Amino acid sequence: GESVGLHLPTLSVQEGDNSIINCAYSNSASDYFIWYKQESGKGPQFIIDIRSNMDKRQGQRVTVLLNKTVKHLSLQIAATQPGDSAVYFCAENISGNQFYFGTGTSLTVIP
Amino acid sequence: NAGVTQTPKFRILKIGQSMTLQCAQDMNHNYMYWYRQDPGMGLKLIYYSVGAGITDKGEVPNGYNVSRSTTEDFPLRLELAAPSQTSVYFCASRALPWGGNTEAFFGQGTRLTVV
Repeated sequence: GESVGLHLPTLSVQEGDNSIINCAYSNSASDYFIWYKQESGKGPQFIIDIRSNMDKRQGQRVTVLLNKTVKHLSLQIAATQPGDSAVYFCAENISGNQFYFGTGTSLTVIP
Repeated sequence: NAGVTQTPKFRILKIGQSMTLQCAQDMNHNYMYWYRQDPGMGLKLIYYSVGAGITDKGEVPNGYNVSRSTTEDFPLRLELAAPSQTSVYFCASRALPWGGNTEAFFGQGTRLTVV
């Protein structure tokens, strides 16, 4: 399944399928990006980050892709599990200590 | 290791009242942040601090004040509560500044309702 951030804020996928969550960022000068996962009633949890000098970074079951040409970031989750159900936010580092967060995409995994 | 602790978890304020949201971290992190999260929205930075005695405004600082007298504590003060300040407030801390490839730790949040 795939979402496009602001335009499709919810995404439902079958357990075991791969998920793709998209994020369009605003500032071409942004040089660092983070994906966060937020479960209901909890604070955000760091998932993975990427610098602007990279276009791909892999973690455990997650991959972040960065396309600076179109200012687009995506989070791919392999073999999605029920525990992956959450809201996912991308955040871009505009300058110094200021990060701007996107509105988030709600991922629901169907068992 | 408690991480980032926020108190209280829930609070209802009347318009015009004041309160302090507490945030404490036990990881000796220099960098601390306050965010607010409105329903269905992302986090917006209110204030941040790069070390004891140093604070700076974020994206939405109006109506709030902060102080950082110690490395561990970073309280957020609302002086005259307004309904627009109804939100969930998150405190976060980090060992290095953003871009330092280190994880940011968030508290569990304080849900504030102003009526």
